[in-house]
Amino acid sequence: SAVISQKPSRDICQRGTSLTIQCQVDSQVTMMFWYRQQPGQSLTLIATANQGSEATYESGFVIDKFPISRPNLTFSTLTVSNMSPEDSSIYLCSVEETGGQPQHFGDGTRLSIL
Amino acid sequence: QKEVEQNSGPLSVPEGAIASLNCTYSDRGSQSFFWYRQYSGKSPELIMFIYSNGDKEDGRFTAQLNKASQYVSLLIRDSQPSDSATYLCAVPGGSQGNLIFGKGTKLSVKP
Repeated sequence: SAVISQKPSRDICQRGTSLTIQCQVDSQVTMMFWYRQQPGQSLTLIATANQGSEATYESGFVIDKFPISRPNLTFSTLTVSNMSPEDSSIYLCSVEETGGQPQHFGDGTRLSIL
Repeated sequence: QKEVEQNSGPLSVPEGAIASLNCTYSDRGSQSFFWYRQYSGKSPELIMFIYSNGDKEDGRFTAQLNKASQYVSLLIRDSQPSDSATYLCAVPGGSQGNLIFGKGTKLSVKP
């Protein structure tokens, strides 16, 4: 299965600032997914990132708040913009691998906003 | 809207016992089912997946699928304190290939 690396692993940020999270995969993948896990909650899909096209956002998530880039088949970034304490979550990157293999996750980015 | 339901627990079992974790799903057309284990402060780790009705065994873990009842379960035999974690059930969400997750069941294995 693909090895997924996320950076940073954690950060503490000030209200109103923005943070960009990177996701690097060791093989080419078509779909990359960004999930959010709020404290004590399950995973919620933010958006799907397809190389060469605009990301597809789920209901409740907008591009202005969570801009995503997908410059190639092994890399994506998620930016959390104008952060507020409600954005304190774990942000997780996942990929869809070939052959219908189950999805695996990166180690996640633990974000706290003061 | 596809939904996945799990009892949030906590489920407490003594060491060496069988832990039984249950999950129901709303979409009768779901074809694949996944169990993830998540330790506190860590990301989810895939432990089992099942596509066909019946049982699938992998070491101490057994996944059981009953599509007629829209029910999938995870059995952990000879439970160990290291199995204490939250277990997430997931099904494919749609055309994007993403997963829909249940809220997870917190398992505590007492020595």
